[in-house]
Amino acid sequence: DQQVKQNSPSLSVQEGRISILNCDYTNSMFDYFLWYKKYPAEGPTFLISISSIKDKNEDGRFTVFLNKSAKHLSLHIVPSQPGDSAVYFCAASVPYSGAGSYQLTFGKGTKLSVIP
Amino acid sequence: GAGVSQSPSNKVTEKGKDVELRCDPISGHTALYWYRQSLGQGLEFLIYFQGNSAPDKSGLPSDRFSAERTGGSVSTLTIQRTQQEDSAVYLCASSPRTVLGYTFGSGTRLTVV
Repeated sequence: DQQVKQNSPSLSVQEGRISILNCDYTNSMFDYFLWYKKYPAEGPTFLISISSIKDKNEDGRFTVFLNKSAKHLSLHIVPSQPGDSAVYFCAASVPYSGAGSYQLTFGKGTKLSVIP
Repeated sequence: GAGVSQSPSNKVTEKGKDVELRCDPISGHTALYWYRQSLGQGLEFLIYFQGNSAPDKSGLPSDRFSAERTGGSVSTLTIQRTQQEDSAVYLCASSPRTVLGYTFGSGTRLTVV
């Protein structure tokens, strides 16, 4: 059972336009959400995060929106640039319980292609 | 080191052979994680080490998989009697024990033929 779902395996956007990447989750215990960006032959790199107590977090061209009632989050990239072309992973974690790990649950990723 | 280092970057092995994958985390990071990404899948949690605590092995897919972390630093993931379904990119991450602090290595691409 996939707890974090990215239903679009790929997305193509013209340079300068907005890219919107979507992510849905099923586990209501998730309290922290992160987006990672991955280039081929490299490890994922952290992009932006949001706590469940917020509904929006912005960092430059990147904004993440969280809709807790819908268990949905989205990443907006404005304006999109060719260098943004990569695979984007949505990830979520549950509150640290004092035991176990800060394990992240990842979606399958969305491949974004920004066309010049 | 400056980043998380993994070796080898690529490994091709015959079905039934054992393989060892190495991860050298960022100095000072107390937490170390192994994930794997199979073709068309997301990152799947395998195992977690935190200091001297017992590792969280809840993600290991079978008893053919094991991992060690010596001296709280370098970790080795061992896969015994490899199968074709073990083919994946194996990613290691280290963290100073926060969700935000995850830093991934470039991964080891394992191909079992």
